[in-house]
Amino acid sequence: DIQMTQSPSSLPASLGDRVTITCRASQDIGNYLRWFQQKPGKSPRLMIYGATNLAAGVPSRFSGSRSGSDYSLTISSLESEDMADYYCLQSKESPFTFGSGTKLEIK
Amino acid sequence: QVQLQQSGTELVKPASSVKISCKASGYTFTSNYMHWIRQQPGNGLEWIGWIYPGNGNTKYNQKFDGKATLTADKSSSTAYMQLSSLTSEDSAVYFCARGGDGLFAYWGQGTLVTVSS
Repeated sequence: DIQMTQSPSSLPASLGDRVTITCRASQDIGNYLRWFQQKPGKSPRLMIYGATNLAAGVPSRFSGSRSGSDYSLTISSLESEDMADYYCLQSKESPFTFGSGTKLEIK
Repeated sequence: QVQLQQSGTELVKPASSVKISCKASGYTFTSNYMHWIRQQPGNGLEWIGWIYPGNGNTKYNQKFDGKATLTADKSSSTAYMQLSSLTSEDSAVYFCARGGDGLFAYWGQGTLVTVSS
């Protein structure tokens, strides 16, 4: 199975900060990488698909990038509504695998 | 608009089975995969498998082989997941999510399954 190593597990940050979350894939997944945001008691929300493409309705302060087997989600200027859990997902091959998650919280 | 409406909370006894549903609307049910995902309390997300309602084909995460059975009813545009031989480890929120074009862009609201005697 492809392992997705996500870091950090927790990220204290201040409003207005630029923050980055990273996932490293254990095998080549090309651009088959998605990012999700999940708030307590809610379903995950697709933020980024194809590693770098913004999903519909997602604010432009969110962006995705790739460097080799490392994939990053960046929020350019943190807003209060961005406080949530974030997960990456590889959909290159079955079983699809998620990263372990990052809890983004106010410092 | 695409909607996935899941069945309600289930409280079930150990060793029993439960069948949860996901009713799709707003798109062609038979032309898109339906995925199922588990989230145990306080934990992350795990992919269980998918079903293609058009022909009933399924693919499972080996971890859930024998635990989860995915089916679909084309006449009602509803996907189902049956979980068997339930233990406390199966207590979780289960989500359905649409596959195909827009993979995981649409999710159900989740179904909480609690296994307790």
